[in-house]
Amino acid sequence: AQKVTQAQTEISVVEKEDVTLDCVYETRDTTYYLFWYKQPPSGELVFLIRRNSFDEQNEISGRYSWNFQKSTSSFNFTITASQVVDSAVYFCALTEFRDDKIIFGKGTRLHILP
Amino acid sequence: DAGVIQSPRHEVTEMGQEVTLRCKPISGHDYLFWYRQTMMRGLELLIYFNNNVPIDDSGMPEDRFSAKMPNASFSTLKIQPSEPRDSAVYFCASHLDPAAGELFFGEGSRLTVL
Repeated sequence: AQKVTQAQTEISVVEKEDVTLDCVYETRDTTYYLFWYKQPPSGELVFLIRRNSFDEQNEISGRYSWNFQKSTSSFNFTITASQVVDSAVYFCALTEFRDDKIIFGKGTRLHILP
Repeated sequence: DAGVIQSPRHEVTEMGQEVTLRCKPISGHDYLFWYRQTMMRGLELLIYFNNNVPIDDSGMPEDRFSAKMPNASFSTLKIQPSEPRDSAVYFCASHLDPAAGELFFGEGSRLTVL
């Protein structure tokens, strides 16, 4: 069965530091999709990125970057030069091609300290 | 489009009472998901529908929980009788195709059972 593990429950860093959020997944399918969502203190869930299993290129979007490594079943998320507004809970998620359900990890609560 | 609409936004009830949470998905979206968020368990998938048909309800915690989707524009999640451990934020989400991109979430219904 598919599974997503976010081992870091809570992380605190000082503003402007870089921080990496880990995501490890398990799947028996060869075709699958990975996601990251952000949940700011206001509570809504904000989509950040989707990646399919055939595309292992790293992605960069401004201060955000994602490192997808099939060899280690990981899809890590890095925030460069963190800002207080990055404080949120971040969720990693997985869906398999043959199964439409989307499974989330337990989330990592990120505190950016001024 | 108005997005996924959930009601009520907040519900406070006493143990033993029936609770009904409502969701209107985005028009045209064939998939509807119900999730529950707690500090301990993170974001758990309870049930999801495809074209109004329940596909996987393995995440429904027990018989006290039931969900219906009588038509493409409306779904309910019912808890009867409610218990304090049901206190959580319940999210509804919809999608045209889970693998294609973003899962659109409602703002959530915060349930408190006293």
